[in-house]
Parts: sequence; structure tokens; C-alpha cells
Amino acid sequence: EIVLTQSPATLSLSPGERATLSCRASQNVNFYLGWYQQKPGQAPRLLIYDASSRATDIPARFSGSGSGTDFTLTISSLEPEDFAVYYCQQRGNWPLTFGGGTRVEIK
Amino acid sequence: QVQLVESGGGVVQPGRSLRLSCAASGFTFSNYAMHWVRQAPGKGLEWVAVTSYDGARRYYADSVKGRFTISRDNSYNTLYLEINSLSAEDTGLYFCASGWSGWPQSYFDSWGQGTLVTVSS
Repeated sequence: EIVLTQSPATLSLSPGERATLSCRASQNVNFYLGWYQQKPGQAPRLLIYDASSRATDIPARFSGSGSGTDFTLTISSLEPEDFAVYYCQQRGNWPLTFGGGTRVEIK
Repeated sequence: QVQLVESGGGVVQPGRSLRLSCAASGFTFSNYAMHWVRQAPGKGLEWVAVTSYDGARRYYADSVKGRFTISRDNSYNTLYLEINSLSAEDTGLYFCASGWSGWPQSYFDSWGQGTLVTVSS
């Protein structure tokens, strides 16, 4: 089973700042990595698929990069609604697995 | 508009069984693989099971294999999860989600709001 390790666990930033979230896979997943946003009391929402493609209706301030074992989600300028927990998920190997999450909180 | 509505959760004693349902609308349900994903209280996400668009193929996480059964009824646009021999480790919010971009290895592009299962004596 592929283990996805997300860092940092918590990111404390102010609105307007840039957020950089990391996801490291224990084995090569090629580019088959997605990112989700989850707000309290809500279901996750797909943001990025295949490492760098934005899902439908996702703002351009969200971008993804990476391949193989190292991936990054960048939020170029944090909006108030972006403070949430972010999860990465791989579909490169079976079974499907998620990372432990990064909480982006208001500083 | 895609809508997935889970139901069937509740407080259940250890060792008992439960059946969760997920009613789908707003899309052609019979064209999509469907998944269950769960989240323990205050924890991360765990993929549980997937069924193919026609219900012919099913796969499970090792942690639930032999106790959980995923099924679907395309006539009623409904997905199910039968859970047997419940234990405290099964406590959590159970989401249904549609699979997208790959079989069975996919992303999850639409989600329900979840149904809460609490295993307690």
C-alpha cells in the first residue's frame, strides 16, 4: 500500500499570502495524484487531478505540480474561503490511499 | 445538478449489522463507478469500497474485506453498503462518491454529505 505523507500538518497564514502544501508518496505514483479541500461539516471537494489539472470550476489560484513521489499544491493568494483541510489522494497503485491532511489556518 | 444523499447511519452495538444507502440524482448513475469513503471522527479519509457501473465488479480495502459488501440498484439509482460485525473502529462518517478518470483506480468528483455510524454498547 502506498503511504502518502503530507507536510506540514498545519500551515498558519494570513489572507493574501501564498500557501505551499507538500505530499510525498512512498512509491512512484507517476502523475496520478489528486488534491481535495474539506471544510468543517462538509464533504471533500476535488481541486486538482493528475497532479496539475484543475477540476471543474476550481479557481486559477489553485495549482498543482510534481510527479513520481513528490507533489505540491500551491494557493497563490489565500482567500478567506480557502482556510480548510487539504488532502492528497493517489490512484497510481491499488488500493486508493489518502494523505493525512494539511490544515491551513488563519494566522 | 448532481446530488448524492446518504442514509442509514446511526448508533449500533458492536457485532451488529447495518446497511447504508446512497440515493443519486442529477446524472446518469448507471454510467459511473461508485465508491464508499469513510472518515473517523477528527481523522482523515479512508477509501472503503468500489463497485463498477453495472455492479459486476467490486473491490474492498483490506481493513473491511469480508465484512463489508457494496452493491447497487441502477433501477433505483441507489448505492448500498452492508456492514457486518461492526466494531468501534468502524465508527465514522461514511461518504458515497462517484468515481472519475479511471477504473477501478479513480478520483472522486462528486460526494454526498455523509451518514454517521457510531458503534457503541
